Amino acid sequence: IAGITQAPTSQILAAGRRMTLRCTQDMRHNAMYWYRQDLGLGLRLIHYSNTAGTTGKGEVPDGYSVSRANTDDFPLTLASAVPSQTSVYFCAAGGTGYGYTFGSGTRLTVV
Amino acid sequence: QKEVEQDPGPLSVPEGAIVSLNCTYSNSAFQYFMWYRQYSRKGPELLMYTYSSGNKEDGRFTAQVDKSSKYISLFIRDSQPSDSATYLCAMSSMDSNYQLIWGAGTKLIIKP
Repeated sequence: IAGITQAPTSQILAAGRRMTLRCTQDMRHNAMYWYRQDLGLGLRLIHYSNTAGTTGKGEVPDGYSVSRANTDDFPLTLASAVPSQTSVYFCAAGGTGYGYTFGSGTRLTVV
Repeated sequence: QKEVEQDPGPLSVPEGAIVSLNCTYSNSAFQYFMWYRQYSRKGPELLMYTYSSGNKEDGRFTAQVDKSSKYISLFIRDSQPSDSATYLCAMSSMDSNYQLIWGAGTKLIIKP
């Protein structure tokens, strides 16, 4: 089934630890996105990539980094997790002018 | 002021009612308008997609775009308890490199 695969599904992480959230697509879309979703704040864009080899900052990029070595993979790294990064993280992919397809999300709790 | 405004609700209606969900926006350059549905603990899924102005119908769902008023709507006819979810509007333009600009989402509750 075509779509976005995210891993892990959920994670409890100690503050200060490093973690990478994985995202893989099989739709061959050029553009990929990372969002966080918090109650009352909606979806907020963290980082994006318009094509393999390029990345850009979204609305809330601090504390996060991404890479796009190929079309299919777009990992999100938290270098040193803090409690304010507790959230649900969604990866998405889409083409120009098309809607996005979202993954099922990663629920991250930083303690 | 946000580029896209959407009442967060919750909106609670009885089963069978017609539901109207709305978003207003400020950027006249928006060309693509979408509605997403998000069930609890799931990712958003694309429900309706409209280019420029006009109406689009898909089963019980109708999307309307009024660019002159900068206003979009989603109508749900014969609402069902399974329609209970959060509905997010999103829109994009060439100016934003087609990145989606999101409303905050409206939580809809259909009471049996």
